[in-house]
Amino acid sequence: AQSVAQPEDQVNVAEGNPLTVKCTYSVSGNPYLFWYVQYPNRGLQFLLKYITGDNLVKGSYGFEAEFNKSQTSFHLKKPSALVSDSALYFCAVRERSSASKIIFGSGTRLSIRP
Amino acid sequence: SAVISQKPSRDICQRGTSLTIQCQVDSQVTMMFWYRQQPGQSLTLIATANQGSEATYESGFVIDKFPISRPNLTFSTLTVSNMSPEDSSIYLCSVDWGDHQPQHFGDGTRLSIL
Repeated sequence: AQSVAQPEDQVNVAEGNPLTVKCTYSVSGNPYLFWYVQYPNRGLQFLLKYITGDNLVKGSYGFEAEFNKSQTSFHLKKPSALVSDSALYFCAVRERSSASKIIFGSGTRLSIRP
Repeated sequence: SAVISQKPSRDICQRGTSLTIQCQVDSQVTMMFWYRQQPGQSLTLIATANQGSEATYESGFVIDKFPISRPNLTFSTLTVSNMSPEDSSIYLCSVDWGDHQPQHFGDGTRLSIL
């Protein structure tokens, strides 16, 4: 069965510092990997995805994620955090099957202090 | 991507009543889902809304409590029946084209039961 883990409930970073939000997964084969962000009173918004190829994927709002097959990880990163990045972040995974569903992680609250 | 309109955005309801939530998509889509989310928590899949047939419910969710309609490829409704305070939550609809495509979400319905 496929699963995804976000080991940190909360990540606190000072504005201007780099940030990392961790995600590991357990899926057979080579899955599709996604990151979403949720701002207050909003639904989940798609940030970026990994399909194949370059292990470093760039997405919206200056975010990027690094795929590591040997460690089955897909950590979200940003070189310089903004206070406006404060939100709830979800990692998600889908097996490479047309019938498979996306599985979401438990979420990580990112808090950026001025 | 798709524009997903979810109504109402929030409601306060009396115990024992029912509320129907609507989800309208601006394009035809095969897969539509309904989720429940406690504020700041992860998503719990309620059911898959199937066009032209009965919805597929996840473990712990039943049709009598959460009847779902899907009359066409752009619209679905979720009814929360005989509500109790435990049903207070955020309800989200999403659409999915499968494969490497990300899911897209409505902004959710914030439901409080008194």
